[in-house]
Amino acid sequence: GENVEQHPSTLSVQEGDSAVIKCTYSDSASNYFPWYKQELGKGPQLIIDIRSNVGEKKDQRIAVTLNKTAKHFSLHITETQPEDSAVYFCAAQSDMNYGGSQGNLIFGKGTKLSVKP
Amino acid sequence: DSGVTQTPKHLITATGQRVTLRCSPRSGDLSVYWYQQSLDQGLQFLIQYYNGEERAKGNILERFSAQQFPDLHSELNLSSLELGDSALYFCASSVWGSDTGELFFGEGSRLTVL
Repeated sequence: GENVEQHPSTLSVQEGDSAVIKCTYSDSASNYFPWYKQELGKGPQLIIDIRSNVGEKKDQRIAVTLNKTAKHFSLHITETQPEDSAVYFCAAQSDMNYGGSQGNLIFGKGTKLSVKP
Repeated sequence: DSGVTQTPKHLITATGQRVTLRCSPRSGDLSVYWYQQSLDQGLQFLIQYYNGEERAKGNILERFSAQQFPDLHSELNLSSLELGDSALYFCASSVWGSDTGELFFGEGSRLTVL
């Protein structure tokens, strides 16, 4: 099955700096790669996603890049602000049919980002 | 507010006991997913239901079971509880059954097994 590795597990940056979180996946059939942000005491929330037919996607201060050959994708946050402090999860999913079960969304273990004012 | 409601928010129980966690999906969402979040394992997929039928199974123990009712709410039953079952259990819902798409998570049910 799919395995998603995420690094680093913790990341501390100064306000205004950039933050980069990297993930690798194992299943070459995976074709959907979302990123979720989890604030303290809340459930994860989708912040950006990318599909395998696209190499890069931007939404204001956040961007995601995908390298299908190397099976890795990254989240880039520019001009970080204290409200960006949270746990970020990458995930991978295939919509292929595995013996009757559809591909599931498999998450990395998360990165705790701290942005210091 | 994601629109997904989970109850109870906190639950403390003893080893060997059984508990039921409840989830009401967003209005119109047919798929419900259950995830377990522990400190060292991140978000682990347990099981998915679509319109009342089990659609996919992940790392769900035999002591755990779930179901989705005709009104689309779902329950996760955890029995013969062990200390290691202490975790945050999330329910999520989505519009599609198996296609890739956004999951909307509830705020979770924190289970503590003493």
